[in-house]
Amino acid sequence: DAGVTQSPTHLIKTRGQQVTLRCSPKSGHDTVSWYQQALGQGPQFIFQYYEEEERQRGNFPDRFSGHQFPNYSSELNVNALLLGDSALYLCASSSADWIPHTEAFFGQGTRLTVV
Amino acid sequence: ILNVEQSPQSLHVQEGDSTNFTCSFPSSNFYALHWYRWETAKSPEALFVMTLNGDEKKKGRISATLNTKEGYSYLYIKGSQPEDSATYLCAFRPDTGFQKLVFGTGTRLLVSP
Repeated sequence: DAGVTQSPTHLIKTRGQQVTLRCSPKSGHDTVSWYQQALGQGPQFIFQYYEEEERQRGNFPDRFSGHQFPNYSSELNVNALLLGDSALYLCASSSADWIPHTEAFFGQGTRLTVV
Repeated sequence: ILNVEQSPQSLHVQEGDSTNFTCSFPSSNFYALHWYRWETAKSPEALFVMTLNGDEKKKGRISATLNTKEGYSYLYIKGSQPEDSATYLCAFRPDTGFQKLVFGTGTRLLVSP
């Protein structure tokens, strides 16, 4: 089991550009959540996808969008990049029937630098 | 706004020392409290998922307690080893029907030989 995989591991973009990050969930998981970890902060919830739909969204602007594919993998898209979007982006996978005592699994993250 | 706080921010101990960290979270709408261990350049690794008031969990030299009524959890490491050096994150899962985790900023532990 490869666990949660994210690509790419590092990315450098210029302000105003658009970026796509990818995530493959752990085998058997159907729910993908995205988090942003800015310097000095804990991971912040961006949104969650289940059955190819956005199920819940955190306090992020519409420049942040996502997609989930039939194989449960997911993409995070950020448009019109700002310097403040520089962060580590984490993907977490879980199953829809995520009962209290089970855990969510995280990928290693994608480090995005906006210059 | 849900707020999760962890203390201390960082800690530097000697090998063999025992140490503990605190996680404070909202005492209402509680569903679960997660502890993660996160080494640099790796994925956060789940340590414990705690759900019941009074829960105590143990994994080797690491243990955790939970008080949902007052909104805090303690993580203890007995006899710290250099390989325990990592950032320890706690995450609160509210009872909203969804799977969002609200993280603290973490405690960075450095254990010197």
